[in-house]
Amino acid sequence: DADVTQTPRNRITKTGKRIMLECSQTKGHDRMYWYRQDPGLGLRLIYYSFDVKDINKGEISDGYSVSRQAQAKFSLSLESAIPNQTALYFCATSDTLVATSTDTQYFGPGTRLTVL
Amino acid sequence: GNSVTQMEGPVTLSEEAFLTINCTYTATGYPSLFWYVQYPGEGLQLLLKATKADDKGSNKGFEATYRKETTSFHLEKGSVQVSDSAVYFCALTLYNQGGKLIFGQGTELSVKP
Repeated sequence: DADVTQTPRNRITKTGKRIMLECSQTKGHDRMYWYRQDPGLGLRLIYYSFDVKDINKGEISDGYSVSRQAQAKFSLSLESAIPNQTALYFCATSDTLVATSTDTQYFGPGTRLTVL
Repeated sequence: GNSVTQMEGPVTLSEEAFLTINCTYTATGYPSLFWYVQYPGEGLQLLLKATKADDKGSNKGFEATYRKETTSFHLEKGSVQVSDSAVYFCALTLYNQGGKLIFGQGTELSVKP
C-alpha cells in the first residue's frame, strides 16, 4: 500500500462549490504539506503543518483552508471554488521536527481538480 | 527573494544520449538543493540532494554538483533510457524554514528509442 494517499484522484466541480481534498499517511511523519502544480510554474506551497496544533500559511493560501484532524490526516478545503483553482494538488510529508534543511519530502499521487 | 530557475522544456533526446538540465538558484542564505522526478501519473519522488557547496548528489546514474560560486545545481546523466522520461524539478530549502521546498518550474524530458 502507498505511504501517502490522496482522495479523490480526480474531481470536477462547479464554481462556488465547496470541496475537500484529503490526504492520509502511514509513514508516521509529523510534517505535512499541501502544494498545487500548474503548468510552467512548478509546485507552490499552499499550507503546511508541523503537528496537529501547528498549521501555517504557505505562499498561496488565499482561497484555501486546511484541517489537521490527526497526525496521519491533513485535509485541504476550497470554500468556494473558482476556475483558476483548477490544478494538480499534491500532499507531502517529511519526517523530522528538527529545523534542518535536509528533509526529504514524500509525495502522494496527486488530485487533479477541475473547476468549471 | 528565494527562487529556482530551470531550463525550459520539453527536452527530447534519443536513448543513450547525454543529458544536462540546467538549474540555478537565488537564496538569502545557504540552501540545500534537491532534484525531484515526477513520472507520468505519479507524485514527485526525491532523485538526489546536496546540502553543502561542492557536494555531489547521485542516484540511478544521475548526478548534480552544488556549485556555490555559480549558484547552480545542474542535473546530468551520461546515457539516458526511455524509462527516464519524466518531469524533473529542481528545488531548494533553507535552514530553519521547516523544510519548505521552493521549486523550479520543471523540465519535461522525453527519451525516444
